[in-house]
Amino acid sequence: SQQGEEDPQALSIQEGENATMNCSYKTSINNLQWYRQNSGRGLVHLILIRSNEREKHSGRLRVTLDTSKKSSSLLITASRAADTASYFCATDGSGGYNKLIFGAGTRLAVHP
Amino acid sequence: KAGVTQTPRYLIKTRGQQVTLSCSPISGHRSVSWYQQTPGQGLQFLFEYFSETQRNKGNFPGRFSGRQFSNSRSEMNVSTLELGDSALYLCASSPSTGSEYEKLFFGSGTQLSVL
Repeated sequence: SQQGEEDPQALSIQEGENATMNCSYKTSINNLQWYRQNSGRGLVHLILIRSNEREKHSGRLRVTLDTSKKSSSLLITASRAADTASYFCATDGSGGYNKLIFGAGTRLAVHP
Repeated sequence: KAGVTQTPRYLIKTRGQQVTLSCSPISGHRSVSWYQQTPGQGLQFLFEYFSETQRNKGNFPGRFSGRQFSNSRSEMNVSTLELGDSALYLCASSPSTGSEYEKLFFGSGTQLSVL
């Protein structure tokens, strides 16, 4: 079963707007990662935030983590059409050894 | 460095057949993981190999198996295919050491269709 639940399931915005996606998980974690997937291809790692961190930035990406609420959010600022993709959060849970547990994903559509 | 390479890209099989998928990790990466992605179940962990040893296994039936070779290349095999095995199978490699050891680098996947 999936560890994370993401919302919204789908998000449609215009270029230049910000996109926020949320992820909730169930068990304790060491870290949480966000990945992007274009059109059913492979996933691309975006950012990793550790359990002792609250916020992390990478370019136009901002990730927050609230371990007390077991939730994370991914903010993409000034969205571009090229950001159109599915975004997944993934936690390491307790399985270790690269056994990531992925959320259901958010499908983001950015319209020119 | 070349990325993770998965072959074949597409595969069509019939029920009852078996299939072998191949994955070549990024050079220097010793960990290889496999994931199944379906519209209904999403991304699910199959197994992970490191230095030819399976370190972790997901909740899949024994029809799903894998192995890793001394050059870190990996194969997964699905025997007695069922319609529900239709999915995108993703391979990911990890350096296991260094600053990126927790990140997974994914291949483009093998799209398996079982008819």
